[in-house]
Amino acid sequence: DQQVKQNSPSLSVQEGRISILNCDYTNSMFDYFLWYKKYPAEGPTFLISISSIKDKNEDGRFTVFLNKSAKHLSLHIVPSQPGDSAVYFCAASARNSGAGSYQLTFGKGTKLSVIP
Amino acid sequence: DTAVSQTPKYLVTQMGNDKSIKCEQNLGHDTMYWYKQDSKKFLKIMFSYNNKELIINETVPNRFSPKSPDKAHLNLHINSLELGDSAVYFCASSPTRDRSSYNYGYTFGSGTRLTVV
Repeated sequence: DQQVKQNSPSLSVQEGRISILNCDYTNSMFDYFLWYKKYPAEGPTFLISISSIKDKNEDGRFTVFLNKSAKHLSLHIVPSQPGDSAVYFCAASARNSGAGSYQLTFGKGTKLSVIP
Repeated sequence: DTAVSQTPKYLVTQMGNDKSIKCEQNLGHDTMYWYKQDSKKFLKIMFSYNNKELIINETVPNRFSPKSPDKAHLNLHINSLELGDSAVYFCASSPTRDRSSYNYGYTFGSGTRLTVV
């Protein structure tokens, strides 16, 4: 039961162009969404997040868009740089975590390759 | 200074053995987690501790036992290791979720690659 889906296992983009990574979710209880970036042999690192009350959040070259009606979010990277080459995980959190701990549900990741 | 550190980074062991993975965080976070990334690359939560108390315990064999001596440490003990336990195990920590906070996320360790032979 995959509640968070990243249907593209890989994506190649030319340096300087836009990278668009997509993520779909099925659980309507999710109210917070995050993107993580992972290099080989390292743990995922937090990149950017968005609350369900927003439809866009921007941080430098990274922008996350949320379409609640479609249960879809996307990460835009502009301009793409070779150092952005990594695996990107989409994650979601539900509003029922009341004990100060919250569970993140992750997608399988999309491997982005930025070609110089 | 490493924020979330796990040891060992690699662990190769035989079936039936008992092993432990240690995790420590120096971020002052209240909550710590163990996640497993299997061969299909899914990152799945196993356990979560908040201030040394078990909060989340997903469907994990009872051969896996987390231990939190204090809120900065969450160790994972695995008894009677099986071939299917081979995976990368990630420790993570987070501050207590603040609903007014716009940005939060886990801080992950670099992972422990466990290979059971």
